[in-house]
Amino acid sequence: KAGVTQTPRYLIKTRGQQVTLSCSPISGHRSVSWYQQTPGQGLQFLFEYFSETQRNKGNFPGRFSGRQFSNSRSEMNVSTLELGDSALYLCASTKDGGPGDEQFFGPGTRLTVL
Amino acid sequence: KNQVEQSPQSLIILEGKNCTLQCNYTVSPFSNLRWYKQDTGRGPVSLTIMTFSENTKSNGRYTATLDADTKQSSLHITASQLSDSASYICVVRSGGYQKVTFGTGTKLQVIP
Repeated sequence: KAGVTQTPRYLIKTRGQQVTLSCSPISGHRSVSWYQQTPGQGLQFLFEYFSETQRNKGNFPGRFSGRQFSNSRSEMNVSTLELGDSALYLCASTKDGGPGDEQFFGPGTRLTVL
Repeated sequence: KNQVEQSPQSLIILEGKNCTLQCNYTVSPFSNLRWYKQDTGRGPVSLTIMTFSENTKSNGRYTATLDADTKQSSLHITASQLSDSASYICVVRSGGYQKVTFGTGTKLQVIP
């Protein structure tokens, strides 16, 4: 069974640009969540998608957005990049996102904003 | 405000030694607590999940404990190996979908 995949693995952008990250969940998983991980803040929840709908959202500005497709693949977009957006972006998939479901994380996309 | 605090921030131990990592939380209501291991450059991997009624759970050389009264959990690693070098993250779920709070992790380094 293939794990969660994320593309690209590494990305370098400059301030003001926008970026789109992609996540393919484990087959059969319908919930995809996105997280930002930085050394000082740890893992911060961005949003969760379930059946193409955003079900939950963290406390990030509107520059961070996402979507989910009918095959459960998800994309995350960050517009008008800032230096502080440099981080490891992780996505995780679960079957339904319920409390007992285990989250399976992808390897992450390392974003560097110059 | 829901919070999860982990200690120590970092730890260096000799191969073969045991160690214990701590997690204190103020999350309410409590649903479950997971310990994750995150190798450098990789996503976190679940080690164990603890629910309210469970006190101890083992996964190989990893043993997690939970004291729901004091809202504390620990992860004990026995006979450490070099491959145990990683960050260990405590995550508490407060019920419902994606109501999760992450600790900032403990970075463990096992040296020969």
